Amino acid sequence: NAGVTQTPKFRILKIGQSMTLQCTQDMNHNYMYWYRQDPGMGLKLIYYSVGAGITDKGEVPNGYNVSRSTTEDFPLRLELAAPSQTSVYFCASLGGELFFGEGSRLTVL
Amino acid sequence: EDQVTQSPEALRLQEGESSSLNCSYTVSGLRGLFWYRQDPGKGPEFLFTLYSAGEEKEKERLKATLTKKESFLHITAPKPEDSATYLCAVLFGNEKLTFGTGTRLTIIP
Repeated sequence: NAGVTQTPKFRILKIGQSMTLQCTQDMNHNYMYWYRQDPGMGLKLIYYSVGAGITDKGEVPNGYNVSRSTTEDFPLRLELAAPSQTSVYFCASLGGELFFGEGSRLTVL
Repeated sequence: EDQVTQSPEALRLQEGESSSLNCSYTVSGLRGLFWYRQDPGKGPEFLFTLYSAGEEKEKERLKATLTKKESFLHITAPKPEDSATYLCAVLFGNEKLTFGTGTRLTIIP
């Protein structure tokens, strides 16, 4: 039982590049969430999903897209990366508690 | 709009000096409230889940309580290793799981 797996752990992007952060969970949870955390700040909700085929925007969705084709996978896509997207990204799935991935540290230069 | 507010933003205590952290939320069909601690550079670590007003949970020096409008995290006789940022998150009826900005707790030996 691996829990929530996020890849990559670290990535440096140039302005205007695109990339996908992968998130997989093996606990058969319906609810999954993507957050970003800027230095010294709390977690801000980007997108969330309550099941396969269903996604919805959180507080800060601009510049991001998600899909949920299966219960296990919830990838986050960054289109046209900007320096403001430099952050640590956490994927999580909800059971009796919120299970977090280890985080992906993204730098946009 | 569903909101989660934590106070104080920062708290410095002497070792052994008990205190409480607050998490208040707009009343909009709360479905669960979660407490996490986060150490610098690490992901959030699960502490408690509370579901209904009047519920209490304890773990070592920590005790979490829940009312209809807020939750408290009581810290009894804290030790330096309790220093961390404490985060609360609320699952609202619209399935959004929203975090507060956190309380940065420092325990001075």
